[in-house]
Amino acid sequence: QSVLTQPPSVSGAPGQRVTISCTGSSSNIGAGYDVHWYKQLPGTAPKFLIYGNSNRPSGVPDRFSGSKSGTSASLAITGLQAEDEAEYYCQSYDSSLSGYYVFGTGTKVTVL
Amino acid sequence: EVQLLESGGGLVQPGGSLRLSCAASGFTFSSYAMSWVRQAPGKGLEWVSAMSGSGGSTYYADSVKGRFTISRDNSKNTLYLQMNSLRAEDTAIYYCAKTDYDYPTAFDIWGQGRMVTVSS
Repeated sequence: QSVLTQPPSVSGAPGQRVTISCTGSSSNIGAGYDVHWYKQLPGTAPKFLIYGNSNRPSGVPDRFSGSKSGTSASLAITGLQAEDEAEYYCQSYDSSLSGYYVFGTGTKVTVL
Repeated sequence: EVQLLESGGGLVQPGGSLRLSCAASGFTFSSYAMSWVRQAPGKGLEWVSAMSGSGGSTYYADSVKGRFTISRDNSKNTLYLQMNSLRAEDTAIYYCAKTDYDYPTAFDIWGQGRMVTVSS
């Protein structure tokens, strides 16, 4: 069972801005652990999208941005494009007894 | 090019065993912690197990503790996952993932994944 909660789906028209929330708790995001984001296209492995809350790996467009505050984090996609349609997951570290690495529930982004 | 290539997997009966391998290339394998992450059909990502670069430390999710064993052979640049006492709920695509050097809680490189199906 996922420890980090995301909305099941978000949608937007091409060119619009969408945001995906990732809600955790005091044992993970709220404890100061970094949040990372991954993009997964159907039938493929997840791809590294955002690390350390707000950093983009080389090759990731600056249309993608991340932020973190308190026990939550967000991923924003501006100038939405057709190729952004995918599943997005947040991920962090959890210090509880059954913790370690935890993922979000996943959000399907649909480009209308 | 940094690459991870999994092998193994397949169909196994409940209670059976299977071993996955993950061959790494393009980076100094022994310098990085590695993990296994799985994804049940139509479901989200679930971290399974991790091992430090030296192999001296191992970590497991509660769901697999006592049944799965992670190991690595740094001379062969290969990560393994030995899965015993398999259950139907272990059916998933299993990915190996490399941790980022500066952000060791992040997975910057993923393998293509291998399907494991537990069914009679």
